[in-house]
Amino acid sequence: DAGVIQSPRHEVTEMGQEVTLRCKPISGHNSLFWYRQTMMRGLELLIYFNNNVPIDDSGMPEDRFSAKMPNASFSTLKIQPSEPRDSAVYFCASSLGLSLYGYTFGSGTRLTVV
Amino acid sequence: ILNVEQSPQSLHVQEGDSTNFTCSFPSSNFYALHWYRWETAKSPEALFVMTLNGDEKKKGQISATLNTKEGYSYLYIKGSQPEDSATYLCAFRGINAGGTSYGKLTFGQGTILTVHP
Repeated sequence: DAGVIQSPRHEVTEMGQEVTLRCKPISGHNSLFWYRQTMMRGLELLIYFNNNVPIDDSGMPEDRFSAKMPNASFSTLKIQPSEPRDSAVYFCASSLGLSLYGYTFGSGTRLTVV
Repeated sequence: ILNVEQSPQSLHVQEGDSTNFTCSFPSSNFYALHWYRWETAKSPEALFVMTLNGDEKKKGQISATLNTKEGYSYLYIKGSQPEDSATYLCAFRGINAGGTSYGKLTFGQGTILTVHP
């Protein structure tokens, strides 16, 4: 299994531009999570999906952030317009079910907004 | 807001030393406690999932205990090696009013372990 695949690995963009981060979960996993990691706040949950349906998006910082999961094998996290304070590492993780199983994390996307 | 705290924030030990760190979490609405190991430039890797008070888990020289009544878990590393250097994260999973688990994990800030040769 290739694991959770995120793209791109690194993204540098100018303030005001739209940024789209992509995630392919492990085949068969039905829960998908987007986390953001910063020095100040550690790993913060942004949003998670179960069976492609958003369950909790209370961690999405503001309307500039949106996430979709059009099918079981793909999700996107979009920031529009991007700001320098959005610079962070964004992790996608997937798991089987919402119960006992832990997550499998992707390698992360390091976003730098200049 | 769930409070998951880990201590110490960082730890430096010599090769061969044994060490332990603490994760504290809410003792109410507990469902599971996860431990992850996170090496620099990699993604977090699951170590243990614990659900029952008094649970003990072991993987090689790493072990963990769980006290859900008082809301803490210890992670122990016996005979640390330089390759054990990493950030160790704990994550709390709660239970909702319906008796099932919330999907999300709330992570602590981690303990950064550095093992010097």
